[in-house]
Amino acid sequence: NAGVTQTPKFQVLKTGQSMTLQCAQDMNHNSMYWYRQDPGMGLRLIYYSASEGTTDKGEVPNGYNVSRLNKREFSLRLESAAPSQTSVYFCASSEALLSNQPQHFGDGTRLSIL
Amino acid sequence: GIQVEQSPPDLILQEGANSTLRCNFSDSVNNLQWFHQNPWGQLINLFYIPSGTKQNGRLSATTVATERYSLLYISSSQTTDSGVYFCAVVGGSQGNLIFGKGTKLSVKP
Repeated sequence: NAGVTQTPKFQVLKTGQSMTLQCAQDMNHNSMYWYRQDPGMGLRLIYYSASEGTTDKGEVPNGYNVSRLNKREFSLRLESAAPSQTSVYFCASSEALLSNQPQHFGDGTRLSIL
Repeated sequence: GIQVEQSPPDLILQEGANSTLRCNFSDSVNNLQWFHQNPWGQLINLFYIPSGTKQNGRLSATTVATERYSLLYISSSQTTDSGVYFCAVVGGSQGNLIFGKGTKLSVKP
């Protein structure tokens, strides 16, 4: 049982380049989330998808776009990477938005923007 | 929005010692989770505990929802317990977890 799988695990980009972070879950969860973690801090929500076909902004959405490709997959795109987006990115999923069930996290993607 | 405060921010223990980590939150919640972030950066689910008490081996947790706090107990600590412990709650309409800043635990051999 893989749970939440993120790819890639590490990536280095130059300022202005674009890339997409991939996330897939195999738990048949309805809701998925993208968070970022900066040094010495907890995680902050970038975007979320309550269910297939819907996406909404979180606390720090600027500079990012998302796609809920199907029930399993939720991708995060940086169109024009900036050094301020250097961070560790975590994808998570849960049975449903506001459900009384835990969120499950992937192992993270370490992204450096030079 | 809801605020989550964890204490202490840093903790150094000798192997074999016990410890208690605290999480206070500013409003009612319907989800509370404790995580361990290991030195490799992975977030490990420890407990889902919006109320009550749970135990898993040397770790246990108690949440008193009416008083808006949760405690994580680590007994007979081991060097592999080192890392950062996060408390996170769901209290808003977006359903996302709101994280505290964490307690950094170092267990010395």
